[in-house]
Amino acid sequence: GESVGLHLPTLSVQEGDNSIINCAYSNSASDYFIWYKQESGKGPQFIIDIRSNMDKRQGQRVTVLLNKTVKHLSLQIAATQPGDSAVYFCAERGNSGYSTLTFGKGTMLLVSP
Amino acid sequence: DGGITQSPKYLFRKEGQNVTLSCEQNLNHDAMYWYRQDPGQGLRLIYYSQIVNDFQKGDIAEGYSVSREKKESFPLTVTSAQKNPTAFYLCASSMGWDTGELFFGEGSRLTVL
Repeated sequence: GESVGLHLPTLSVQEGDNSIINCAYSNSASDYFIWYKQESGKGPQFIIDIRSNMDKRQGQRVTVLLNKTVKHLSLQIAATQPGDSAVYFCAERGNSGYSTLTFGKGTMLLVSP
Repeated sequence: DGGITQSPKYLFRKEGQNVTLSCEQNLNHDAMYWYRQDPGQGLRLIYYSQIVNDFQKGDIAEGYSVSREKKESFPLTVTSAQKNPTAFYLCASSMGWDTGELFFGEGSRLTVL
């Protein structure tokens, strides 16, 4: 697969544990945040998004938390499975009319059985 | 099945040659994007198109060109002016401009020999 994981922060967990992946965003004007998952050799896949008028949003086995005060975003994965092993990216978008997404560098999640 | 198709998956080019990467989508999406991904880095936006016959430069457009003559197609040309073209290129599309839910292809790996 593609070597997108070189030099990335890595989180190693055991199967069944809960995982928390953190992201510090840079633009205080950003009003929309998204998490993506990228498996080796594939394109990123959308996981969950959250707008700045919320501080928590839940999906299936995932929860995103947003703390605008400290410009921090986190992705919580419950009961982590080996299939969750991937690189996870956060992305932010500014609040001007045609802002584009800015992606973070990513965190590699390694889940061992 | 609906999706994004990128081709070729792997491409080798000699220095000084232009090369065109194909991206086709059958999702009926209006917006399409090209990103570049380098090891240990997030995705960087090269070009994007919100509608047919219109496109805008992203953060790293120098040395690249695009066209959007059809809704379903958004080819990227890597020109000889791009000083460091070896990278993983990702094409994506979205239903509209407001969503952060991008659908990505599986990528094209370009290596300059």
